[in-house]
Amino acid sequence: EPEVTQTPSHQVTQMGQEVILRCVPISNHLYFYWYRQILGQKVEFLVSFYNNEISEKSEIFDDQFSVERPDGSNFTLKIRSTKLEDSAMYFCASSDRGRLEGYTFGSGTRLTVV
Amino acid sequence: GNSVTQMEGPVTLSEEAFLTINCTYTATGYPSLFWYVQYPGEGLQLLLKATKADDKGSNKGFEATYRKETTSFHLEKGSVQVSDSAVYFCALSRISGNTGKLIFGQGTTLQVKP
Repeated sequence: EPEVTQTPSHQVTQMGQEVILRCVPISNHLYFYWYRQILGQKVEFLVSFYNNEISEKSEIFDDQFSVERPDGSNFTLKIRSTKLEDSAMYFCASSDRGRLEGYTFGSGTRLTVV
Repeated sequence: GNSVTQMEGPVTLSEEAFLTINCTYTATGYPSLFWYVQYPGEGLQLLLKATKADDKGSNKGFEATYRKETTSFHLEKGSVQVSDSAVYFCALSRISGNTGKLIFGQGTTLQVKP
């Protein structure tokens, strides 16, 4: 069964450093998403991306965050200057239809900011 | 606004016991409803879904019925197994433009003992 692949599975970074979380969505999917889950809390929507632009972003997704589909296969989330409170599990997801019919999540990247 | 509320966990059951995990929602319009499961160390997997009132989603012995009158989508299973131990998330979808997003509950941890 096709998978959404995320790398790395765990990343530790110093506060203030830039991090890039990488995702390879399912190849024929057109809609891409990032969610995050702070330890012990609910999973929260960050951003959706379609046709090479952001469709919607949450209030969490401030100027420190950006997304990119640099080469037609990868989908990245960049955090420019990490803060302690950015420590969380970040999930990438992709869908072949915008209305969540075929929504597949990756296994996540655990980001620890120290 | 839109929100999902799940029963507090952890829920601890013996093998072959009956499971109910309560989920209620607040939403404008008529969202689709989902249950996702997260096994230890893994990502979010879609367990079942229902797209309109009175629909019943089912998968792997789990069931949930979309109840518009009580704004609920309770998850049930007649006989749980140790392998069902996981975190279960109730979610609703919100459509926005070309894409949708999921709004999750806080998750309920299920522990099944032999």
